[in-house]
Amino acid sequence: GAGVSQTPSNKVTEKGKYVELRCDPISGHTALYWYRQSLGQGPEFLIYFQGTGAADDSGLPNDRFFAVRPEGSVSTLKIQRTERGDSAVYLCASSFGLGADTQYFGPGTRLTVL
Amino acid sequence: TQLLEQSPQFLSIQEGENLTVYCNSSSVFSSLQWYRQEPGEGPVLLVTVVTGGEVKKLKRLTFQFGDARKDSSLHITAAQPGDTGLYLCAGALRSNDYKLSFGAGTTVTVRA
Repeated sequence: GAGVSQTPSNKVTEKGKYVELRCDPISGHTALYWYRQSLGQGPEFLIYFQGTGAADDSGLPNDRFFAVRPEGSVSTLKIQRTERGDSAVYLCASSFGLGADTQYFGPGTRLTVL
Repeated sequence: TQLLEQSPQFLSIQEGENLTVYCNSSSVFSSLQWYRQEPGEGPVLLVTVVTGGEVKKLKRLTFQFGDARKDSSLHITAAQPGDTGLYLCAGALRSNDYKLSFGAGTTVTVRA
């Protein structure tokens, strides 16, 4: 595809369940970012990958959140024991290289925890 | 607490009017970006400003970076319904910073 794709587009789950959110970056982009956007707020940085490694995970709110990018392309954000406060739109972005390269955002996954 | 404060939070104007959106901070930014986000989509980059006092124009949109690199504004001339959307500013504190800090956004509605 031409842009960043994210699946599913919507996810409804119950409190305490485990969820996985997937991101397919633009082909050839080495950097991948996850952000979380709560209602009425701007995106908030969660984690950044350069290749396969998490270069900065300082934005992850707690140890229930984990992300992987095993082959340096597709990434999965995993949330354990979901809480109602985790409800938000989870955005993925990718960029060609490091630093201040333009970040291209996907459409997001809207997570609702009941 | 967000580093960047945007104002106003909401703006509703008639087609053909002008509007200005502001983005302010007490921090100095290496660069600042403006994005537009439509419902159900991710933010799309409009412009990046890097030099204090810089002015960039994109058709009817004019972006300015403050001299002290702590604030920015977006001015739209003769707004059209297609300009409707959420406008977000985002800043990088260092020149090689990948970690963007976003403002809460300004929701602009242009009525036909």
